[in-house]
Amino acid sequence: DAGVIQSPRHEVTEMGQEVTLRCKPISGHNSLFWYRQTMMRGLELLIYFNNNVPIDDSGMPEDRFSAKMPNASFSTLKIQPSEPRDSAVYFCASSQGEYTGELFFGEGSRLTVL
Amino acid sequence: LAKTTQPISMDSYEGQEVNITCSHNNIATNDYITWYQQFPSQGPRFIIQGYKTKVTNEVASLFIPADRKSSTLSLPRVSLSDTAVYYCLVGDINYGQNFVFGPGTRLSVLP
Repeated sequence: DAGVIQSPRHEVTEMGQEVTLRCKPISGHNSLFWYRQTMMRGLELLIYFNNNVPIDDSGMPEDRFSAKMPNASFSTLKIQPSEPRDSAVYFCASSQGEYTGELFFGEGSRLTVL
Repeated sequence: LAKTTQPISMDSYEGQEVNITCSHNNIATNDYITWYQQFPSQGPRFIIQGYKTKVTNEVASLFIPADRKSSTLSLPRVSLSDTAVYYCLVGDINYGQNFVFGPGTRLSVLP
């Protein structure tokens, strides 16, 4: 079975550019999470969706960040405009059912903003 | 959210049993204890979850005392490939905002 699929795996961009990260959750999973990981701050929960509806976005750092889930099989995390401090690995995770406690993570998207 | 405390790092040798303890003094009635493992350049991977007493699967065991204020992840006979960061999460699994990762424990398995 395919796991959580994220794209791109690596992105290098310049400050001020728009960045869009994509995630395809595991089929049948109805909860989706976006995390950001840096050496300084560890793994941070940015936002999560349940049945395509954003439930809690309190972890989104600022208005430059936005996330959407137009359908059960696709989600995007957008940063506009990007800044060097946004450089991090962004992970998407999905889970089955309401919340089982078992999150399935993708391989991450490594973002470098110059 | 129940605050968790884990050792920052641990060293072990191949073939030994490793026990990583997580303290969660203010755990609530509906909270579960979940452990994840993360290898470099990969996303975290679910290891085990429990509510009380002992849970065992093919990878690890989770020991939870009666007061549930701590828990211990036990890895039997570790190998070099078990070198990773191990995270303890405590919270009501019915609410996604509880899936918050702390700094974890960096386990280094030495030959």
